[in-house]
Amino acid sequence: EVQLVESGGDLVQPGGSLRLSCAASGFTFSSYAMNWVRQAPGKGLEWVSGISGSGGNTYHADSVKGRFTISRDNAKNTLYLQVSSLRADDTAVYYCAKAPGYCSGATCYWYFDLWGRGTLVTVSS
Amino acid sequence: QSVLTQPPSVSAAPGQKVTISCSGSSSNIGNNYVSWYQQLPGTAPKLLIYDNNKRPSGIPDRFSGSKSDTSATLGITGLQTGDEADYYCGTWDSRLSAVVFGGGTKLTVL
Repeated sequence: EVQLVESGGDLVQPGGSLRLSCAASGFTFSSYAMNWVRQAPGKGLEWVSGISGSGGNTYHADSVKGRFTISRDNAKNTLYLQVSSLRADDTAVYYCAKAPGYCSGATCYWYFDLWGRGTLVTVSS
Repeated sequence: QSVLTQPPSVSAAPGQKVTISCSGSSSNIGNNYVSWYQQLPGTAPKLLIYDNNKRPSGIPDRFSGSKSDTSATLGITGLQTGDEADYYCGTWDSRLSAVVFGGGTKLTVL
């Protein structure tokens, strides 16, 4: 079955860290870029980070640069998001998403054709 | 404040047609492909339209997409109560080097 399953979300104190995981199955994982998109409670979608199929190129939203790191293990068909220096406004459901398409120069022609169910990160003292 | 601008809500009666607009600029919609997503209550987003006007397998032709200059539009015909959801547009912004989404539009089928 083609699917993405996120895990690792938790309640964490401000300033804390977590590692989110996304297990992929049913498709050739290494052939696709992968992304993280988050959604704060009652709010819209916000792109967080993206990574090329090889893992050689990564992209992060300005709001998380220096605090979040995206990575992947193609041997394990798993995507990761290391989140640190967490703030209250990082509270959200974090979705991983498969992204067909490609990047050329500074532009990525991505769309998200497969999404996981999400994992909830709550930042609170 | 989202980079892409969508109306917060739209509504129409069952069987009717509705359009949802997505307005951007030359750094995003004007020079990149647009995709559209449907998010039913309590579920993950689902791809409806990619590359401005292409439908993935399994998406009915009641859903259509178009783009003109720095704006894009999602059209839904033959509205059903099951279409009640939040709809988001998205694209790459070359100035920000980031994926950007609209703020979302809540569709109500009266």
